[in-house]
Amino acid sequence: AQKVTQAQTEISVVEKEDVTLDCVYETRDTTYYLFWYKQPPSGELVFLIRRNSFDEQNEISGRYSWNFQKSTSSFNFTITASQVVDSAVYFCALMPVGGTSYGKLTFGQGTILTVHP
Amino acid sequence: GAGVSQSPRYKVAKRGQDVALRCDPISGHVSLFWYQQALGQGPEFLTYFQNEAQLDKSGLPSDRFFAERPEGSVSTLKIQRTQQEDSAVYLCASSSDPALGVLTFGAGSRLTVL
Repeated sequence: AQKVTQAQTEISVVEKEDVTLDCVYETRDTTYYLFWYKQPPSGELVFLIRRNSFDEQNEISGRYSWNFQKSTSSFNFTITASQVVDSAVYFCALMPVGGTSYGKLTFGQGTILTVHP
Repeated sequence: GAGVSQSPRYKVAKRGQDVALRCDPISGHVSLFWYQQALGQGPEFLTYFQNEAQLDKSGLPSDRFFAERPEGSVSTLKIQRTQQEDSAVYLCASSSDPALGVLTFGAGSRLTVL
């Protein structure tokens, strides 16, 4: 079984501040994918990034960056120079590779990010 | 269509009523998923279709929950004899390659059972 924990229930920042969303996970699978999805007020989850468990290289995409550390089972997400449009609920998720787990993601509880002008 | 479409967006049911929630996936996506999202929680997997075949229904919480996709496109999630604990947002997602875990979600159907 897998477990994903997002300890921060809510984070509130002022525009232009940097913010890091934490995610830790538990799995017995040796190969897995980790994800971040964003859920704006409209409700649909929007895919942000997928990382493979054997690729610990950090990734940067514009103002977004992700830090994957297998040794601590963490996959943290940093938004640099936050903007009001970043306000949303952010979910970390895990999916084992192969087997019968296609599309069967285990999500964390989510972190509500509010960016104030 | 351009995205995953779900209807109704909001549904209020009295306890004991049956409800049906519809999902219209992205055209050409053979894989379709239903997830349940309780208030303040992350989505939880319910069931998975590949075309019209239901390959995994391990997440359905009880035999009151039933999903179908008879022609491999539109799917319906049916809940019989609704209970208050069924109140949640029901999210549908589709994918062209579920092995990669990248799903396109709809906006969800919010069910409130009184």
